[in-house]
Amino acid sequence: KNQVEQSPQSLIILEGKNCTLQCNYTVSPFSNLRWYKQDTGRGPVSLTIMTFSENTKSNGRYTATLDADTKQSSLHITASQLSDSASYICVVRALFMNYGGSQGNLIFGKGTKLSVKP
Amino acid sequence: EAQVTQNPRYLITVTGKKLTVTCSQNMNHEYMSWYRQDPGLGLRQIYYSMNVEVTDKGDVPEGYKVSRKEKRNFPLILESPSPNQTSLYFCASTPTRFGTEAFFGQGTRLTVV
Repeated sequence: KNQVEQSPQSLIILEGKNCTLQCNYTVSPFSNLRWYKQDTGRGPVSLTIMTFSENTKSNGRYTATLDADTKQSSLHITASQLSDSASYICVVRALFMNYGGSQGNLIFGKGTKLSVKP
Repeated sequence: EAQVTQNPRYLITVTGKKLTVTCSQNMNHEYMSWYRQDPGLGLRQIYYSMNVEVTDKGDVPEGYKVSRKEKRNFPLILESPSPNQTSLYFCASTPTRFGTEAFFGQGTRLTVV
């Protein structure tokens, strides 16, 4: 069964500290993986996309990694800011082979809730 | 500005009173979908539409209806809302069903009492 598991479920850190969020998936065949940031009460917004051939990609203070062999991804946040407080959702797209099916084969993780404290 | 617009943002209603949550996108996307988000359960797909007049059930369709008469609009209809439909709802669109990025609306917080 295609699944995306995220850890930890929640995390509290002090402003200025670094943190790493984890995403493990069993989706096959794999197409790509996106990290979304969701501020409280708002819609998720894409941070970065990782394809099969990419190992690391940075977007400002956010760095995503992908190990396609172990089916793991991480999102590292450097020098955290109060505005980083949000839920971070890992979404994996399966390579669609057949017509039909829901979600365009997007499989969502349940998210990690990050709280950055002053 | 490219966006997905949902209305209303907040809604409190009573059990059994039909309601519609509207969703509109201005990006000419083919693929649209509705999700509900509940604590500890993440985003779960309710219905999706691959194009005009083409809709299908997602993972949690019970108690909901949708329609896609125009490409830009994808309303979510609750014919007889119940308290277990109290949730945060999101509409999303992608260029095609193979689009790599989903664009989400701002969300509708629905409370059914």
